[in-house]
Order: sequence, then C-alpha cells, then structure tokens
Amino acid sequence: ETGVTQSPTHLIKTRGQQVTLRCSSQSGHNTVSWYQQALGQGPQFIFQYYREEENGRGNFPPRFSGLQFPNYSSELNVNALELDDSALYLCASSLDRREAFFGQGTRLTVV
Amino acid sequence: AQTVTQSQPEMSVQEAETVTLSCTYDTSENNYYLFWYKQPPSRQMILVIRQEAYKQQNATENRFSVNFQKAAKSFSLKISDSQLGDTAMYFCAFMNPPTGANSKLTFGKGITLSVRP
Repeated sequence: ETGVTQSPTHLIKTRGQQVTLRCSSQSGHNTVSWYQQALGQGPQFIFQYYREEENGRGNFPPRFSGLQFPNYSSELNVNALELDDSALYLCASSLDRREAFFGQGTRLTVV
Repeated sequence: AQTVTQSQPEMSVQEAETVTLSCTYDTSENNYYLFWYKQPPSRQMILVIRQEAYKQQNATENRFSVNFQKAAKSFSLKISDSQLGDTAMYFCAFMNPPTGANSKLTFGKGITLSVRP
C-alpha cells in the first residue's frame, strides 16, 4: 500500500454531467499529479499540483480542472462529461515533484 | 515531445524462468529518469524499478534488473525467477525534468505479462 487513497472507486455518470474525484496524498507529500488511463492504454498526464498551485498541464481541455488543499489532498473536476471521458483516473503523490506513488484509481463510466 | 514505445503487447513466461520486456524512448534531453511500473488487476500502479539517466550502472531490485542503453534510447526490464504474482501489465515510463516544474511521467502503452504455472 502506498498511502495514497482515492474516492470513489467507481462511479457512473450521464453525458453532460459534472464529476469530482478526490485524492488523499501520502503523508509528507506536497505534490499531486492526475492521470487518465483509457482502457488498454498507458496513463496520460492531466495536470500536477505543487503546494496548492497548478504546476504543469497536459493536453486536456479546460473542462478538466483541479484543486489542491492546504493538507495537500486534491480534487479533479470534469465538467460537461463526454463518453470519451470514460477511463480510470489515477492520482499520484510525491515529495517535491520527485518519485510518484499511485492510488488505486477511480473508474469513471460515462453513459 | 518525449515518446515511449513498448512494441510487444503481450508476453508469456513459464514460472521460474526469465523474461525480458522491451522499451524504447525518444528525447532530446540529457537529464531524465526512467521507470518500470507494474499494474496488476487491482489497478494500482506499483513502482518496480527506477534508473537515473546520469548513472551508467544498471539498476537492480531483487529479481528485477534493467538494461539501460542511453545512446540507443533503450530501457528493457529483466525479470528473473518469474513468479505467478508477476502476472500484470507493465509500463515503461519517462520523466523529464526529473524534478521541478512539470515533472510529469510519460508512459508507454504497456505490455501484458502472463506467468504460467
């Protein structure tokens, strides 16, 4: 176990809805990164938060947004859900943007 | 932009034997890290081994070792004495910069490894 926890583990949403995914980072870690993993593919970098500020972003539209809180936990928000947003969303925490430790992911299904 | 290529979609190995998983990458950077991650059916991405590009010595972690060929941009993983618990998807990943702003992981598509009893 890495100490990184994500919630919920699964959820189903309808196209057009909004969703919030949560991540508690490992104790002592100040960096959280989010990845999207489509079925049969490798994870794709969405964005990273370091000390509560966005610290880098991948090729994802603005309807993907996030937050990092003072305790370094994080949220990923996705607005106007599309069918292609169905994927496993992985959160990874690290100390000072170094080696990443992953949570078990949230499986999002958009119908 | 960096790319990571894993050209073998699936491999199978007999328990107790040795298997090698291939990975190539493309970058113009000189300072970076390379990783192999394991993803079992539980979905959690588990770090197997890490290699710093500035180190000439190949990394080893118990039964896992890498063959890092920087000039060829090749980074293969060797699993010795394969165990049933090694059955999983394996991802090769690249990180640049290794620390600091935008230190993201770029993953390959992964390879499904099956260990046969």
